Amino acid sequence: DVKVTQSSRYLVKRTGEKVFLECVQDMDHENMFWYRQDPGLGLRLIYFSYDVKMKEKGDIPEGYSVSREKKERFSLILESASTNQTSMYLCASSPSLGQGLTHTQYFGPGTRLTVL
Amino acid sequence: RKEVEQDPGPFNVPEGATVAFNCTYSNSASQSFFWYRQDCRKEPKLLMSVYSSGNEDGRFTAQLNRASQYISLLIRDSKLSDSATYLCVPLDTGRRALTFGSGTRLQVQP
Repeated sequence: DVKVTQSSRYLVKRTGEKVFLECVQDMDHENMFWYRQDPGLGLRLIYFSYDVKMKEKGDIPEGYSVSREKKERFSLILESASTNQTSMYLCASSPSLGQGLTHTQYFGPGTRLTVL
Repeated sequence: RKEVEQDPGPFNVPEGATVAFNCTYSNSASQSFFWYRQDCRKEPKLLMSVYSSGNEDGRFTAQLNRASQYISLLIRDSKLSDSATYLCVPLDTGRRALTFGSGTRLQVQP
């Protein structure tokens, strides 16, 4: 059974703080993703990674960075948190079909981040 | 035009009813699709995959209309436990990542 875990379910931070969100998967998946989910906007892709030390910008990368030093771990970093980054953050992983194609994604439980 | 469009709902239906919702997509190259289900305050989970014209899994049927670029999800004999948001996801073979629709909320009432 695929398991994706995220370091915190709830997090409260202050404006300007540096925030780390950690995600770990135990299925040896090549691909990992970070999304944020906001009411009425659905899931929006922030960054993804298809291999260790590889990363690609998603649709809304501004204000975020990522790190993937090990295959099982993908970190999302908010360098200087702002109130408009208050959101639900979801991590996902998926196996690769080859040619870089992604397939079914398995999600972690999410981290609800509030920036005051 | 958005890549994926879904009616946000909510669709309020009584138990036992049949309900269907559509998802339109803009990329005509999309060959396969996923339907994900997301319960309130939970993460999305895969409901079914659609690789050809459609797929059926118990009470759930997905049908693909390539000419009109939409995919539908039909739920028969609705249960209270079907209450959730249903996310449509086309698979773009030219892109490594998936684009999720914003979802259709279904509320099944006793």
